[in-house]
Amino acid sequence: DADVTQTPRNRITKTGKRIMLECSQTKGHDRMYWYRQDPGLGLRLIYYSFDVKDINKGEISDGYSVSRQAQAKFSLSLESAIPNQTALYFCATSEGGVAFFGQGTRLTVV
Amino acid sequence: RKEVEQDPGPFNVPEGATVAFNCTYSNSASQSFFWYRQDCRKEPKLLMSVYSSGNEDGRFTAQLNRASQYISLLIRDSKLSDSATYLCPLFSGNTGKLIFGQGTTLQVKP
Repeated sequence: DADVTQTPRNRITKTGKRIMLECSQTKGHDRMYWYRQDPGLGLRLIYYSFDVKDINKGEISDGYSVSRQAQAKFSLSLESAIPNQTALYFCATSEGGVAFFGQGTRLTVV
Repeated sequence: RKEVEQDPGPFNVPEGATVAFNCTYSNSASQSFFWYRQDCRKEPKLLMSVYSSGNEDGRFTAQLNRASQYISLLIRDSKLSDSATYLCPLFSGNTGKLIFGQGTTLQVKP
């Protein structure tokens, strides 16, 4: 089983819909991250969290929200999806700066 | 200026060539440095840590230049399987923030 699991792996949704991407980890790390990746733009940080009480905005948090339900779970929500949120989304955990990624969620907003 | 900058490439090299790329960073407080490898449509994975004195792992050599604020990755005797995107994150131990550069794409040709 993967140490960092993302669900769903692929999702197509309509403009204006609310969607949640989920991430769970078994590594026991406190730090968790959400990134989006677009061709030619690399990985951009959306939100990151130290623990359930600590949530921080990243480089591109507008249009997104997160919830850290437990040490092992960190969810990303798009309250009202728009087409330019079509991207590959990665969740990651980190210890000492070494990051472990989930397999990614490919989201398409039509 | 972006916190982490990389030449996106692509670097097209023949098998057996030596290739090097750099990653420059703007936050002098950064404490930990790494190189990650990402295959197409896959999650990034740790390639190697970068130590102040420089370090090798087989055909790969990483260097850190704190004064000039860059890290480098040298690949000797390139293999077809080295074709990938190489990412360098900037990790701040104080904030836990983990920011990635755009990535450098390497294509090794037969």
